[in-house]
Amino acid sequence: DARVTQTPRHKVTEMGQEVTMRCQPILGHNTVFWYRQTMMQGLELLAYFRNRAPLDDSGMPKDRFSAEMPDATLATLKIQPSEPRDSAVYFCASGFRSVEQFFGPGTRLTVL
Amino acid sequence: QKEVEQDPGPLSVPEGAIVSLNCTYSNSAFQYFMWYRQYSRKGPELLMYTYSSGNKEDGRFTAQVDKSSKYISLFIRDSQPSDSATYLCAMSAGYGNKLVFGAGTILRVKS
Repeated sequence: DARVTQTPRHKVTEMGQEVTMRCQPILGHNTVFWYRQTMMQGLELLAYFRNRAPLDDSGMPKDRFSAEMPDATLATLKIQPSEPRDSAVYFCASGFRSVEQFFGPGTRLTVL
Repeated sequence: QKEVEQDPGPLSVPEGAIVSLNCTYSNSAFQYFMWYRQYSRKGPELLMYTYSSGNKEDGRFTAQVDKSSKYISLFIRDSQPSDSATYLCAMSAGYGNKLVFGAGTILRVKS
């Protein structure tokens, strides 16, 4: 059963701390997306990669967020320093040669 | 104005009712139309996928696209309490383009 996995599932941290979220895309998928979901803004695209190369990170606050794909099986999203307004659910999704995207279960981040 | 508009609801219906969920959009370049279902505290799950105009049926679910009106719909027949979730529409101009999501409609099916 091919699925996108994300770790951690929940994270509570204090303002100013670094947060790292990890995503393992479905094996063979070459496109990885990072989204943020809040009640107010809904699902927002932060960044995406194809074949490990960043294609668009225009949705991401550049001063504190960074996204990387160290290899084809791992994508990371880092926030440094974290702020209370970063509290949200962060989703990773993957796809392959299609507009369809398959989502992971999300990381629920709370910044105190 | 957002590219994709979707009424957030909530929409509350009795079990067995026919449910109609809708989205409107402004970007005429959109060619691919999707519906995702999201249960509470879960990730969105792809439900239906349609290319261009027309209808697509999958069991109790029917997706309709009217590109001339820039309007898409998802119909759920014989709705069940297990259909209670948030339904998000999503659209794209094609492979290599972003997927643009609606705000999502909360659906509650009462038994």
